[in-house]
Amino acid sequence: GAVVSQHPSWVICKSGTSVKIECRSLDFQATTMFWYRQFPKQSLMLMATSNEGSKATYEQGVEKDKFLINHASLTLSTLTVTSAHPEDSSFYICSASRGPQETQYFGPGTRLLVL
Amino acid sequence: ELKVEQNPLFLSMQEGKNYTIYCNYSTTSDRLYWYRQDPGKSLESLFVLLSNGAVKQEGRLMASLDTKARLSTLHITAAVHDLSATYFCAVAGRDDKIIFGKGTRLHILP
Repeated sequence: GAVVSQHPSWVICKSGTSVKIECRSLDFQATTMFWYRQFPKQSLMLMATSNEGSKATYEQGVEKDKFLINHASLTLSTLTVTSAHPEDSSFYICSASRGPQETQYFGPGTRLLVL
Repeated sequence: ELKVEQNPLFLSMQEGKNYTIYCNYSTTSDRLYWYRQDPGKSLESLFVLLSNGAVKQEGRLMASLDTKARLSTLHITAAVHDLSATYFCAVAGRDDKIIFGKGTRLHILP
């Protein structure tokens, strides 16, 4: 058990458009989901933490109006990159956990390329 | 603020050799993780270390944790080419956030 999926796995979009990425826990209920961004050959940087039914908590330097996070159910969180620009091109990875201090299970990632 | 440092950041080694990757962290934590990432892929969980003195082994990889020294090691025994990947350690903070090290890119030469 503990499988996390992401959709789409990759996306190419034009500058100025918005892109939605879904993160689903397939076989468990995730009270907390995390969104990370990874630039090439760099580490994972936590963008935000979302708890089901409440507003996401963003890390310092992450624009909440640009990266909209919704965690509407115990199995789904979405990240919407609004008005995407080339500098938003990155590998976005979500993780999900059953609760506080529980193991995080990582999704396969979504590669975003903004032209 | 929790900081996680890994070294080395890049390691090229011959098959059959042993080597160790080090992970230091700056504040008390009760959970430390080791992950493997292949190019273009997400993270694969290798080990979760929860207590001082914890040692876990899987195949040619062995991880240990010294909470007093705030140090974890990932030891590779008799390396094989298939172990080539980037290895991350990550440490859980008090707020459940996981902070990642910069990763160690391991390249094993045949």
